[in-house]
Amino acid sequence: EAGVAQSPRYKIIEKRQSVAFWCNPISGHATLYWYQQILGQGPKLLIQFQNNGVVDDSQLPKDRFSAERLKGVDSTLKIQPAKLEDSAVYLCASSSYRDSFRNEQFFGPGTRLTVL
Amino acid sequence: QKEVEQDPGPLSVPEGAIVSLNCTYSNSAFQYFMWYRQYSRKGPELLMYTYSSGNKEDGRFTAQVDKSSKYISLFIRDSQPSDSATYLCAMSEPRGSTLGRLYFGRGTQLTVWP
Repeated sequence: EAGVAQSPRYKIIEKRQSVAFWCNPISGHATLYWYQQILGQGPKLLIQFQNNGVVDDSQLPKDRFSAERLKGVDSTLKIQPAKLEDSAVYLCASSSYRDSFRNEQFFGPGTRLTVL
Repeated sequence: QKEVEQDPGPLSVPEGAIVSLNCTYSNSAFQYFMWYRQYSRKGPELLMYTYSSGNKEDGRFTAQVDKSSKYISLFIRDSQPSDSATYLCAMSEPRGSTLGRLYFGRGTQLTVWP
């Protein structure tokens, strides 16, 4: 079974520029998560999708961050404009509530963003 | 106060040592407790999963949950250099309340030297 795929793996931009990240979850997983992991900290949930609907975006800075999950499969996370404090690893994870009583989340390798 | 507290280390031990990693939390509604392992430049992977209080053992790994003290632990026996990674504790409320949202500790960086 293929894991969660993310691209790009690395991105360097200047502040005030825009950037987008892409995630392809494990096939059949209805739930998709985007996390932000700042160096030396644990992942922080930005947004959670159930199929193509948002169920939790309470920690998403909506003035600059946006995310969508068209057709309930792939997802993109966008930052516009980027700030220095957005430098972090952006992790995508997916899970299948249907198949598992517990909420085991499978993570992708992440996209490491550096904002200069 | 953060919901989940975890000492970031770093922790450095010789091969074969017993390693103890810990987290404390403040939210008494947490019911599911997990330990994730994260190698450098990789995403976290689930290592251990425990529901409510008690112990769970899997090979060299033992997870303990003490809900009365709001304290969880991960023990690694006979530690190996391949165990060198960052260990993240994570926890969540019952699915119905927050749809399984995970709250992570900041991670403890472990190095096992030969």
